[in-house]
Amino acid sequence: DIQMTQSPSSLSASVGDRVTITCQASQDISNYLNWYQQKPGKAPKLLIYDASNLETGVPSRFSGSGSGTDFTFTISSLQPEDIATYYCQQYDNLITFGQGTRLEIK
Amino acid sequence: EVQLVESGGGLVQPGGSLRLSCSASGFTFSSYAMHWVRQAPGKGLEYVSAISSNGGSTYYADSVKGRFTISRDNSKNTLYLQMSSLRAEDTAVYYCVKDISRTPDAFDIWGQGTMVTVSS
Repeated sequence: DIQMTQSPSSLSASVGDRVTITCQASQDISNYLNWYQQKPGKAPKLLIYDASNLETGVPSRFSGSGSGTDFTFTISSLQPEDIATYYCQQYDNLITFGQGTRLEIK
Repeated sequence: EVQLVESGGGLVQPGGSLRLSCSASGFTFSSYAMHWVRQAPGKGLEYVSAISSNGGSTYYADSVKGRFTISRDNSKNTLYLQMSSLRAEDTAVYYCVKDISRTPDAFDIWGQGTMVTVSS
């Protein structure tokens, strides 16, 4: 099975900060990597698909990059409404989620 | 409006069975793979199972393989998850999820979730 390792597990940042989350796959998954946002008490929401494609309607401050085993998710300027837990997900071999990164406002 | 509505959750004793249903509307159900994803209280997302658009292929996480069965009725726009031999560690919110493709890819629409509690 493919393991997905996200870091950090939690993160505190200020409004306007640039925020970066990484996700590492245990083997090459090409660009078969998606990113989700989950706010408390809500279902997850797709933000980025195929490593770098922004889902329709998602603000452009969100972006993703990477291929192979190393991937990055970035919020260019943190907004208060971005407080959530973020998950990466691979679909190269079955489906696996990362353990999540909880993002808080400093 | 694209919508997924789960039902069938509840309290069940260890070793028991439960069937979850997910009613889909607002899109051509038969054109997309569908999934179940669960989340234990206070924990992260865990992939459970997937089924291709025509039902010909199914996928299961190792943790549920042999105990859970995913199925779909494209004539009724409904997805199912038959769960048996339930364990305490199966306690979670179960989400019905629509894929963007006919085979497993990205999850663009999620239901509100249904809670399953396995306890005596």
